[in-house]
Amino acid sequence: DAGVTQSPTHLIKTRGQQVTLRCSPISGHKSVSWYQQVLGQGPQFIFQYYEKEERGRGNFPDRFSARQFPNYSSELNVNALLLGDSALYLCASSRLAGSQETQYFGPGTRLLVL
Amino acid sequence: GDSVTQMEGPVTLSEEAFLTINCTYTATGYPSLFWYVQYPGEGLQLLLKATKADDKGSNKGFEATYRKETTSFHLEKGSVQVSDSAVYFCALSDVWANNLFFGTGTRLTVIP
Repeated sequence: DAGVTQSPTHLIKTRGQQVTLRCSPISGHKSVSWYQQVLGQGPQFIFQYYEKEERGRGNFPDRFSARQFPNYSSELNVNALLLGDSALYLCASSRLAGSQETQYFGPGTRLLVL
Repeated sequence: GDSVTQMEGPVTLSEEAFLTINCTYTATGYPSLFWYVQYPGEGLQLLLKATKADDKGSNKGFEATYRKETTSFHLEKGSVQVSDSAVYFCALSDVWANNLFFGTGTRLTVIP
């Protein structure tokens, strides 16, 4: 079975631009979460979606938004990019949204903001 | 709030040495605990997990026991290999929140 897939793998943007990152979950998984991993740190939670509804949001500004589609894939949008948004963006999927569910991570999208 | 404190690295060991990476947590509820591993240039892979007190998670020779009394989930392996070189993350998922809280990661390098 295919794992979590993300696109693109790498992206370079300039300050003030907007970016859209995409994620396809493992088949049968209904929950998708997004994390930001700054170099040298652990991932930080951004959003969780389950059955197309937002179930949780981390401490990120409103420039960050996301949505989940009927096929359970998801997009993360970041507006008005800042240099500090440079990071590895990880998508994770799980069957359900409970705390005991294992989240399976994709390879990530590496975003560089110049 | 929920948090994970992880042993700072980097850790360098010789092949076949014993490994311990310490992890303690703070949580308002009864969390599930996880160890994830990140190999160079890759995303996170689940290594093992435990969902209740006294549970032991194990995989690929790695073990960790959920200790509620000491709020710990230390990772151990009896004999490390060069292929174990990676960054290891301890994480928790609290019953009140569906997201994972990660520690800062511990970089392990195993030399032949």
